[in-house]
Amino acid sequence: SQELEQSPQSLIVQEGKNLTINCTSSKTLYGLYWYKQKYGEGLIFLMMLQKGGEEKSHEKITAKLDEKKQQSSLHITASQPSHAGIYLCGADGGNQFYFGTGTSLTVIP
Amino acid sequence: EAGVAQSPRYKIIEKRQSVAFWCNPISGHATLYWYQQILGQGPKLLIQFQNNGVVDDSQLPKDRFSAERLKGVDSTLKIQPAKLEDSAVYLCASSFTSGANVLTFGAGSRLTVL
Repeated sequence: SQELEQSPQSLIVQEGKNLTINCTSSKTLYGLYWYKQKYGEGLIFLMMLQKGGEEKSHEKITAKLDEKKQQSSLHITASQPSHAGIYLCGADGGNQFYFGTGTSLTVIP
Repeated sequence: EAGVAQSPRYKIIEKRQSVAFWCNPISGHATLYWYQQILGQGPKLLIQFQNNGVVDDSQLPKDRFSAERLKGVDSTLKIQPAKLEDSAVYLCASSFTSGANVLTFGAGSRLTVL
């Protein structure tokens, strides 16, 4: 079965700082999804990457899928308290949709 | 469009009791998923439906968990009897179909087993 490992597990940054979250797959990714979850709430879709080398941006969040399609990174520029939450990568493994282990982000004002 | 509806939002029960969660997916979404998310972990897929048929339930503890989607629309997830380790958030999601599709999640049902 496909496994998605995220790093770091948790992150505490000062407001305004940049940060990167990584997601590594045990198998080739055919679609990589990033979601954000606020405590006690459901997951909100951020971005989907399908092609090797693809990069997408939304506001201050940029996600990339590497050429070999086994790793993705999520980069936040000039972090804000509104960016705080749990970031999850997910992948379509055929019949199942898998999630990574999650990265908890705290942004200190 | 209306999102994925789940109820109840919170439930507290004692071990060995039973509980049921309800999910109404987005209209027209054929695929429905139930995930279990234990505090500090990523969501784990329990069961996936395509219309009213089960696509995958390999990680569903079938001795105590059951789920159905009788008319291919809304779904219920039941736990009987509950154990302490079942304390988690139960997330329902739906997508237009399986494959390369974005999942839309409900707010989740938080279960505490005492």
